[in-house]
Amino acid sequence: DAKTTQPPSMDCAEGRAANLPCNHSTISGNEYVYWYRQIHSQGPQYIIHGLKNNETNEMASLIITEDRKSSTLILPHATLRDTAVYYCITSGTYKYIFGTGTRLKVLA
Amino acid sequence: SQTIHQWPATLVQPVGSPLSLECTVEGTSNPNLYWYRQAAGRGLQLLFYSVGIGQISSEVPQNLSASRPQDRQFILSSKKLLLSDSGFYLCAWSVGGGDSGSPLHFGNGTRLTVT
Repeated sequence: DAKTTQPPSMDCAEGRAANLPCNHSTISGNEYVYWYRQIHSQGPQYIIHGLKNNETNEMASLIITEDRKSSTLILPHATLRDTAVYYCITSGTYKYIFGTGTRLKVLA
Repeated sequence: SQTIHQWPATLVQPVGSPLSLECTVEGTSNPNLYWYRQAAGRGLQLLFYSVGIGQISSEVPQNLSASRPQDRQFILSSKKLLLSDSGFYLCAWSVGGGDSGSPLHFGNGTRLTVT
């Protein structure tokens, strides 16, 4: 079973920041948090990952709480092309278990 | 740079027929390899993973099997397909395990319809 919980759906206005939450209250010390997104009929695309510190790359920012029990993916200026299902997973082994993700809809 | 190839992109097979899906990775050595399945409107289900040639771990009892005959080749097979085998099959690779900060990289998938 997936070890993360995410809201099933969210809407965001185009040009605004999209903040996608993820709860991983049972995370172990050696587990990283990974974020992916999947656009319809395509393979999931890796976005970002982190262990303890906040991370930023050209796609997004990842904010991990100090107790590591939750995190937030931030898309700073959402566009229509960011409409997708976003998955948050944690893994400390060779198993990467996906949940059902958050369906983000960016509105024009 | 590393690339992953999956084929075919789409496949329609009758019930009871065999299946062979192939995945290859280029640009890296000794990758960890994975097969996932996604049923329509559902999340990704981990089917198999492999950390080396001939080493296969099965996550879900099913009508499928996997093999890794070469370092960068991963094959998903079935002797007799069932209707419930329909879905979107995805191959992925990683450098290390989840505790090393190694993300998965996915192929474009094969959409299988069993009729």
